[in-house]
Amino acid sequence: QKEVEQDPGPLSVPEGAIVSLNCTYSNSAFQYFMWYRQYSRKGPELLMYTYSSGNKEDGRFTAQVDKSSKYISLFIRDSQPSDSATYLCAMSAGASWGKLQFGAGTQVVVTP
Amino acid sequence: DAGVIQSPRHEVTEMGQEVTLRCKPISGHDYLFWYRQTMMRGLELLIYFNNNVPIDDSGMPEDRFSAKMPNASFSTLKIQPSEPRDSAVYFCASSLSFGGHAPPVTQYFGPGTRLLVL
Repeated sequence: QKEVEQDPGPLSVPEGAIVSLNCTYSNSAFQYFMWYRQYSRKGPELLMYTYSSGNKEDGRFTAQVDKSSKYISLFIRDSQPSDSATYLCAMSAGASWGKLQFGAGTQVVVTP
Repeated sequence: DAGVIQSPRHEVTEMGQEVTLRCKPISGHDYLFWYRQTMMRGLELLIYFNNNVPIDDSGMPEDRFSAKMPNASFSTLKIQPSEPRDSAVYFCASSLSFGGHAPPVTQYFGPGTRLLVL
């Protein structure tokens, strides 16, 4: 069983809808939680970063971490066609913060 | 800033040949990471360096893979001999540790090298 589970999708939504993405994990030592966005044939880029539990908001993006349930979420409000990409969750433990474990990535398609 | 630079961007080679992938991290960054991405296995960390010293190479698949970082501005990932199952996109990423302006966990990825081993 993988340490980080993520539904690969694809997830298709109409423009303006809320996109809801999530990951579950099994390693209770994870403390750093990230969401990366990857456009086709490009490298991943960091979208959101959260340390430990809680919520974080940045413009149209909201990241949530529930350590008790080992569950993290990313919400994209007012989705745009330019949000069409693959979204990867990633996480690491405090002692080895650089050793990221990535989810499989969820492909999101926002249709005009 | 030019970002992380990788070369070549595409590589096609025959089984048994040596392959060398190159990476120039963002200037001033003290961590460098090598990843491999495939449809089957997703994005996997192969090895990472801190201040040019390998910290964790537990993700290196086998002895055919080796990585070096001779100085702060250059790293190589070598596969010798290459096999068809090594076909993947290889990413290099760099990061700045505590004391920098970005969160320490932010990794900046390069554009990747697409490797095809025939």
